[in-house]
Amino acid sequence: EAQVTQNPRYLITVTGKKLTVTCSQNMNHEYMSWYRQDPGLGLRQIYYSMNVEVTDKGDVPEGYKVSRKEKRNFPLILESPSPNQTSLYFCASSSGQGRSLYNEKLFFGSGTQLSVL
Amino acid sequence: AQKVTQAQTEISVVEKEDVTLDCVYETRDTTYYLFWYKQPPSGELVFLIRRNSFDEQNEISGRYSWNFQKSTSSFNFTITASQVVDSAVYFCALSEQAPFQKLVFGTGTRLLVSP
Repeated sequence: EAQVTQNPRYLITVTGKKLTVTCSQNMNHEYMSWYRQDPGLGLRQIYYSMNVEVTDKGDVPEGYKVSRKEKRNFPLILESPSPNQTSLYFCASSSGQGRSLYNEKLFFGSGTQLSVL
Repeated sequence: AQKVTQAQTEISVVEKEDVTLDCVYETRDTTYYLFWYKQPPSGELVFLIRRNSFDEQNEISGRYSWNFQKSTSSFNFTITASQVVDSAVYFCALSEQAPFQKLVFGTGTRLLVSP
């Protein structure tokens, strides 16, 4: 089954303790990205990657790092989490053939609810 | 710059009522892509539809229908004969590029359907 898998689903941590949220897709997609969802703000893009070793900032990259060493994985790293990073995080992927595939869409993972105390 | 506005924060209806969720977008590009996603209480994002700017045909899928009007920069979503299972937050989103490097989301509309 085609899917984007995020782990963990829920995470509670304390300020300053480094953490990684993993994201993996099994569709051989070139494009992957991270979003955060906050009440009243919708979803905002953190980082995206067009392919292996190619990453770029989205709208709210401060305090986050990403890496794309393999095509299937795109982990989100919080080196020193702070309470304002408490949010619902989503990983997404797509094939990169949006124009040619009529129903091409962004596939989203199930989300990671992060609480930073 | 691209922007999506969902002015309705929350809508409450009674089962079997029809309801329309509004979405107004801003973009300078002539080619763009519009999406609707549903977020049920379980939290995941469920893809509903994608519409390309060069295809103004409206779409109907069961009880769902979408009205895309470039003249008013709107992409409204109507649920006919709403059901309790339709209760969710609905997001409208815009991408100016394919392969969708970036989706810009509206703030969402929470739909509450009561029995």
